[in-house]
Amino acid sequence: AAGVIQSPRHLIKEKRETATLKCYPIPRHDTVYWYQQGPGQDPQFLISFYEKMQSDKGSIPDRFSAQQFSDYHSELNMSSLELGDSALYFCASRRGGGSYEQYFGPGTRLTVT
Amino acid sequence: RKEVEQDPGPFNVPEGATVAFNCTYSNSASQSFFWYRQDCRKEPKLLMSVYSSGNEDGRFTAQLNRASQYISLLIRDSKLSDSATYLCVVIQTNAGKSTFGDGTTLTVKP
Repeated sequence: AAGVIQSPRHLIKEKRETATLKCYPIPRHDTVYWYQQGPGQDPQFLISFYEKMQSDKGSIPDRFSAQQFSDYHSELNMSSLELGDSALYFCASRRGGGSYEQYFGPGTRLTVT
Repeated sequence: RKEVEQDPGPFNVPEGATVAFNCTYSNSASQSFFWYRQDCRKEPKLLMSVYSSGNEDGRFTAQLNRASQYISLLIRDSKLSDSATYLCVVIQTNAGKSTFGDGTTLTVKP
């Protein structure tokens, strides 16, 4: 079965650079969530989208922005990167209007040097 | 106090043991509950949804107690492959916001 796709899988950036992470949800899933997981921590909810509109916002820094496109894929844009942004970034998707079960992608490991 | 709190780990048990994890949540508006399993450096994988009536999937049983605002996961006859971090997830359905617990690490030893 098709799963959530994230790209790139690994990314190395320098401080103050920008990064764009991409997420392709499971087909027919219209809701996308972004999470940040630091070393030894649980995933922290950043932001979510339903039908291309932002549905909820968590602990997303102002330096980050995200959007969901007409094909339901989503991009997380990160600017002025800081060392503390180094983490695993997961995208999850679900099909709206039914169960709230979220299915996670393999994550993007971002390292800021 | 954190919105979602889990039993502190780690749990180290022998194969065949029964182990239980608990998770409490503070927001009474929470409506959906799940257990996820996460292996090192991998994505969380959905293990079970949790319902008030309780649900069972093989060796795994999940329970929800709304009055006391906690959910539990019971693993019977532990296998080596059950070693992982178990995360409870609470969703405030109307807002869509998902909150994870800190995770409980289970190590099953031969």
